[in-house]
Amino acid sequence: GENVEQHPSTLSVQEGDSAVIKCTYSDSASNYFPWYKQELGKGPQLIIDIRSNVGEKKDQRIAVTLNKTAKHFSLHITETQPEDSAVYFCAAILNSGYSTLTFGKGTMLLVSP
Amino acid sequence: SAVISQKPSRDICQRGTSLTIQCQVDSQVTMMFWYRQQPGQSLTLIATANQGSEATYESGFVIDKFPISRPNLTFSTLTVSNMSPEDSSIYLCSVAGSGDQPQHFGDGTRLSIL
Repeated sequence: GENVEQHPSTLSVQEGDSAVIKCTYSDSASNYFPWYKQELGKGPQLIIDIRSNVGEKKDQRIAVTLNKTAKHFSLHITETQPEDSAVYFCAAILNSGYSTLTFGKGTMLLVSP
Repeated sequence: SAVISQKPSRDICQRGTSLTIQCQVDSQVTMMFWYRQQPGQSLTLIATANQGSEATYESGFVIDKFPISRPNLTFSTLTVSNMSPEDSSIYLCSVAGSGDQPQHFGDGTRLSIL
């Protein structure tokens, strides 16, 4: 089955800096890659996603890039703010017709003022 | 996106007892899923809740321990049976409009077993 590796496990940045979280996946058949943000006491919130026919997608301060050849995808957050502090999970879907998500282990992002 | 409500939001239970968690969505959805998130860990899929038929369980999860119901397109329940301290986790419901749509999560049920 699919295996998703996520790095780093923790990331500390200063407010205003950029943050990058990287994930790799094992199954070349995976074709959908969402990113979730989980704040303390809350469920994961979808913040951005990308499909395998696209190399990059942006939404204001966040962007996701996908390299299908290398089987890795990354989350980029620019101009970080303290409210960006949370745990971020990447995920991959093995088969877009049946949404069985495989999650990475998560990255705890801490943005210091 | 759909509004997903889970009840209870948290509970403390005695070992050997069972707890049923409810997931209610404000619109009809095709897919409903149940996940477990152990403290400080990632999410693990327990099962897919199928309307009108038995749930599809992932490896390591069985119906006797985690019976699931899905009577319609907006509601599902997960029961955690004969609980032990190892069942202390966050249990999360997620939904998707179809197999090709993003999954959205409820805020989860935080369960502690004494």
